[in-house]
Amino acid sequence: QLQLQESGPGLVKPSETLSLTCTVSGGSISSSSYYWGWIRQPPGKGLEWIGSIYYSGSTYYNPSLKSRVTISVDTSKNQFSLKLSSVTAADTAVYYCLGGGGDYWGQGTLVTVSS
Amino acid sequence: DIVMTQTPLSSPVTLGQPASISCRSSQSLVHSDGNTYLSWLQQRPGQPPRLLIYKISNRFSGVPDRFSGSGAGTDFTLKISRVEAEDVGVYYCMQATQFPWTFGQGTKVEIK
Repeated sequence: QLQLQESGPGLVKPSETLSLTCTVSGGSISSSSYYWGWIRQPPGKGLEWIGSIYYSGSTYYNPSLKSRVTISVDTSKNQFSLKLSSVTAADTAVYYCLGGGGDYWGQGTLVTVSS
Repeated sequence: DIVMTQTPLSSPVTLGQPASISCRSSQSLVHSDGNTYLSWLQQRPGQPPRLLIYKISNRFSGVPDRFSGSGAGTDFTLKISRVEAEDVGVYYCMQATQFPWTFGQGTKVEIK
């Protein structure tokens, strides 16, 4: 059973870059034919898909965020990461990392954008 | 983008009674590989979402058999045969057939 855990700063200043890492345990990130990705949930609101990376390295991003998002994989650490640039208060949300097509979820981490 | 529309948005249910949630997509969710990547997620209060049903009707590991999914094409349904207290939360449908993956607005299930 895969387990995913997000890590990263809980507070980011406006205009800066949000950086989060997801550590995968219980399986190898490179041996599973999975998508690995990120989803966010603003406080009290619904779910928004940010983007995914296939185990082969292909990336797919939400068009609404594409110009600001980068998702990458570090197979040596069994991790994948999210970078979201030029953040504003609208990017305040709980960020979840995801394995498969929604099969496995991290616990989520709240990121607040504020000066 | 594929728009996912759930009804109802709120569902007060008596314990032990059934509940049903509908999800409609703005276009067919049949993938070119023949599969339909429609999932149902449960989010209990203060918890992350968890997968209940994948590819329309397949229960994920550990999901009680009172949860069932059905449908095809653009119309899908999640049914809870007998609602228990632990089923309180928000339920989302999600499509992963086409990028960007999209979600329904969520249906809040609460006990009357």
